[in-house]
Amino acid sequence: AQTVTQSQPEMSVQEAETVTLSCTYDTSENNYYLFWYKQPPSRQMILVIRQEAYKQQNATENRFSVNFQKAAKSFSLKISDSQLGDTAMYFCAFIPLTGNQFYFGTGTSLTVIP
Amino acid sequence: KAGVTQTPRYLIKTRGQQVTLSCSPISGHRSVSWYQQTPGQGLQFLFEYFSETQRNKGNFPGRFSGRQFSNSRSEMNVSTLELGDSALYLCASSHGQVYNEQFFGPGTRLTVL
Repeated sequence: AQTVTQSQPEMSVQEAETVTLSCTYDTSENNYYLFWYKQPPSRQMILVIRQEAYKQQNATENRFSVNFQKAAKSFSLKISDSQLGDTAMYFCAFIPLTGNQFYFGTGTSLTVIP
Repeated sequence: KAGVTQTPRYLIKTRGQQVTLSCSPISGHRSVSWYQQTPGQGLQFLFEYFSETQRNKGNFPGRFSGRQFSNSRSEMNVSTLELGDSALYLCASSHGQVYNEQFFGPGTRLTVL
């Protein structure tokens, strides 16, 4: 069975500071993709960052970067220089290359404090 | 390109009724997935359609069904509504394989009284 666990239901960070959101997953698959999605209040879910499991290099997108530890099945998201617009629910997601189904975590609600 | 659209945006029904939700994917996208989002449960996968065929189905009762039309638009139907079906229903489309980026719609907020 594939599962995704986000152990931090809520987090807060001061504006301009750095915050790390945790995600662990469980799978017997070797080839898969990992994602972080962001859902701002009352707005649509959008992709933040994507990581291919066969790539050892951690993905980065501007202020967003991941720490991908395949052996530990860990995929954390680091947000640098936090901005008020980063306030949102963040979901970690996983999909095996052999499947057509995303598995999502329960989300982390991040609040950026001015 | 227009984004993923979902109609209606809000819906109130009573127990025992049925409901149909609609999703129009981004032009050119042939994969449409449906999710149920509830507080504390995150997103639960309902099903995924590609070229009018259901490719995968989550662990939901048979009251939840869906279909996809030749223009890739998709509908999901919930029959005999229960209070626990109250949720935000999201659809997402992608180009080709699902592991390509999924683009989400704004969702339909269903309230069952």
